[in-house]
Amino acid sequence: GAGVSQSPSNKVTEKGKDVELRCDPISGHTALYWYRQSLGQGLEFLIYFQGNSAPDKSGLPSDRFSAERTGGSVSTLTIQRTQQEDSAVYLCASRPGGGGETQYFGPGTRLLVL
Amino acid sequence: EDQVTQSPEALRLQEGESSSLNCSYTVSGLRGLFWYRQDPGKGPEFLFTLYSAGEEKEKERLKATLTKKESFLHITAPKPEDSATYLCAVPNTGFQKLVFGTGTRLLVSP
Repeated sequence: GAGVSQSPSNKVTEKGKDVELRCDPISGHTALYWYRQSLGQGLEFLIYFQGNSAPDKSGLPSDRFSAERTGGSVSTLTIQRTQQEDSAVYLCASRPGGGGETQYFGPGTRLLVL
Repeated sequence: EDQVTQSPEALRLQEGESSSLNCSYTVSGLRGLFWYRQDPGKGPEFLFTLYSAGEEKEKERLKATLTKKESFLHITAPKPEDSATYLCAVPNTGFQKLVFGTGTRLLVSP
């Protein structure tokens, strides 16, 4: 079975432009997470989707960040009016759900804002 | 506040030189401690989950152990291919996310 996939793998954009990052979780996984990893920093939680419940958006750093999950599967993280400090690796993870299980990560999208 | 601290930040070993990485945690009601390996340019790769003090798990040259306050990742006779960043994480109190340490960068020289 395929793992978590993310696209694009790399994205270079100009300050002020909007970007969309995509995540395809492992089939059947009900929980999906977005994290951000900046150079020299630990992984920072952004948002959590569990089934049809309202997402936990408590980690989103500003209202320029939003995410959606369509049909309980694919998720898109959107960053509007990008800033240089948004440059980081954006990681998606999924887990089966039910609590206690391992999160499996995708390869990440490396975002560079010039 | 839920917190994970890893030490050392970086570790350089000669091939065959065994050592241990430390992960100390503060969380209300531990519901698992996770170890991941991350290679440059890749996402974290799952290694182990430990649930209770005294539990141990092994995989090749790696053994993870857990106490009530910390976990150790023991590396026995490491090889250059063990070079990576090792991350430790715990679920937060509400289990909405994993709280990660900043990792230990391990370099094993031939």
